Amino acid sequence: AQSVTQPDIHITVSEGASLELRCNYSYGATPYLFWYVQSPGQGLQLLLKYFSGDTLVQGIKGFEAEFKRSQSSFNLRKPSVHWSDAAEYFCAVALNSGGYQKVTFGTGTKLQVIP
Amino acid sequence: ETGVTQTPRHLVMGMTNKKSLKCEQHLGHNAMYWYKQSAKKPLELMFVYNFKEQTENNSVPSRFSPECPNSSHLFLHLHTLQPEDSALYLCASSQNLAGPIVYEQYFGPGTRLTVT
Repeated sequence: AQSVTQPDIHITVSEGASLELRCNYSYGATPYLFWYVQSPGQGLQLLLKYFSGDTLVQGIKGFEAEFKRSQSSFNLRKPSVHWSDAAEYFCAVALNSGGYQKVTFGTGTKLQVIP
Repeated sequence: ETGVTQTPRHLVMGMTNKKSLKCEQHLGHNAMYWYKQSAKKPLELMFVYNFKEQTENNSVPSRFSPECPNSSHLFLHLHTLQPEDSALYLCASSQNLAGPIVYEQYFGPGTRLTVT
């Protein structure tokens, strides 16, 4: 069964600093990988996704993520964080096997941005 | 309306009440989902529908009863709930669950449910 781990429950960064949120997955083949963001009182919004091809993917709001097969990781990065980036971030992994699809979400990382 | 909408946004109900949550998607998708999001817990998938057919029920108690009359609408009927059922209930949709591609999910804003 697939699993996804976000090791950091809570991260605090200063506005303007760089950000990296970690995501590790466990799955035999190359999975489908997603990052979502959830602002308080809202649903989840897709930031970016990886299916195949270029391992560095660009998303919305200036985010990017890199797929590293050797490390089973899909870390989310942003060069310069803005106060509006304060939110909770979820990594998700999906498998597609014989027409059966299953998506598993990580437990989330809450990002606090300080002035 | 665009995207995925959910009503009501907030709901307070007693343990003996019957209420329903409504979800509507305006994206032309064929798969719809109900999730439960509780504080300090991972997102829990409850039910999945693809082309109006239920494809997944993750051992959800029978006091939660889903209904999917068409690909655009999804309901969650609630009856005799417990205080531990208080949570944010999220609806999502995706293009479909068939075929070789896993499509991303689009989420509604959720219904904040409080059971007293």
